[in-house]
Amino acid sequence: EPEVTQTPSHQVTQMGQEVILRCVPISNHLYFYWYRQILGQKVEFLVSFYNNEISEKSEIFDDQFSVERPDGSNFTLKIRSTKLEDSAMYFCASSRNREPFYEQYFGPGTRLTVT
Amino acid sequence: AQSVTQLGSHVSVSEGALVLLRCNYSSSVPPYLFWYVQYPNQGLQLLLKYTSAATLVKGINGFEAEFKKSETSFHLTKPSAHMSDAAEYFCAVTSDTGRRALTFGSGTRLQVQP
Repeated sequence: EPEVTQTPSHQVTQMGQEVILRCVPISNHLYFYWYRQILGQKVEFLVSFYNNEISEKSEIFDDQFSVERPDGSNFTLKIRSTKLEDSAMYFCASSRNREPFYEQYFGPGTRLTVT
Repeated sequence: AQSVTQLGSHVSVSEGALVLLRCNYSSSVPPYLFWYVQYPNQGLQLLLKYTSAATLVKGINGFEAEFKKSETSFHLTKPSAHMSDAAEYFCAVTSDTGRRALTFGSGTRLQVQP
């Protein structure tokens, strides 16, 4: 069964450094998402991406964040200058269609630790 | 704005007992509702979803949920808990407003005692 994959599984970085989190969505999916979960808190939406542009973003997704689909398979989240409060589990998801009732398939997550 | 409230951050049941995980939603438009499960060190897996067809929805692993508009609820149930059901369960909502983002509840950790 196809699945969303994410690398790395765990990333440790120092405050102020740039990080890139990578995701490979399911191959025939058209919508891509990033969510994050700070330890002990809710899963929060960051951004959605469709047709090579951002279709929706939350207030969390400020200028420090960017997303890219550099080729036909990868979907990346870049944090330009990490802060301590960026420490969280970051989940990538993809869905086959733009309809909201289509399931979003989630990857296993990347745990980001900012020291 | 949409929101989801999950009552009970931790629920403990005995193996073979009924599982009931509560979810109440708030939405100004007809919602689409989802239950996801997260096993340790894994991503979120869809258990079931409500998309305005049948109000009683059956999902994987013997789980089901009933959409009750009058109570704004979408509680998750399973008649007989199994040890393998121990995980964290998340209720989520979205709608036809043009947004695709899921709004999640805070999650309920289910423990199953032998």
